[in-house]
Amino acid sequence: TQLLEQSPQFLSIQEGENLTVYCNSSSVFSSLQWYRQEPGEGPVLLVTVVTGGEVKKLKRLTFQFGDARKDSSLHITAAQPGDTGLYLCAGDYNQGGKLIFGQGTELSVKP
Amino acid sequence: EPEVTQTPSHQVTQMGQEVILRCVPISNHLYFYWYRQILGQKVEFLVSFYNNEISEKSEIFDDQFSVERPDGSNFTLKIRSTKLEDSAMYFCASNKLAANEQFFGPGTRLTVL
Repeated sequence: TQLLEQSPQFLSIQEGENLTVYCNSSSVFSSLQWYRQEPGEGPVLLVTVVTGGEVKKLKRLTFQFGDARKDSSLHITAAQPGDTGLYLCAGDYNQGGKLIFGQGTELSVKP
Repeated sequence: EPEVTQTPSHQVTQMGQEVILRCVPISNHLYFYWYRQILGQKVEFLVSFYNNEISEKSEIFDDQFSVERPDGSNFTLKIRSTKLEDSAMYFCASNKLAANEQFFGPGTRLTVL
């Protein structure tokens, strides 16, 4: 069974704090995507990481792909209430193949 | 910016009825997918479609399900005889095969009564 474990499941922090969300698997991925999903809407792609050890930045969000391509992390610096939402990681094993999703991290940033 | 669109946004049906969920993928994309998300659960893969045929399907995608690309733009998911447990959000996605970036539509909420 292909599994992607995401942690923590829930995170409630104050505005201005930093946080990290983790995505782990025993399998090697071809690539890994991070999405953000609002209630009742589809996942919105934030970033794709492909190369082991790759780091990508999107404003205050930093995404890293593990050297062995089995894990990834999302770090948010100085979180803002607008960052509140569900963050999903999803990996694939071959180009064009299905995505395996983690269960998501529900982030709440309080002003 | 191009986006995946889905219709209807919400479909209510009686158990045993057939439903067709429609998607218009991004125009220059080559791979198409259907996923579903039961309330409070993970997004689950159903089926992928490439070059006018199914390339992969999950064990959820049984004989009650079918997909079709009837013309150059639409991609449909048909559920022949709906069951209560088919109630979920159904998402269509498409991919241009550039680092496997899958772009999702807004979803169709299917409610089976």
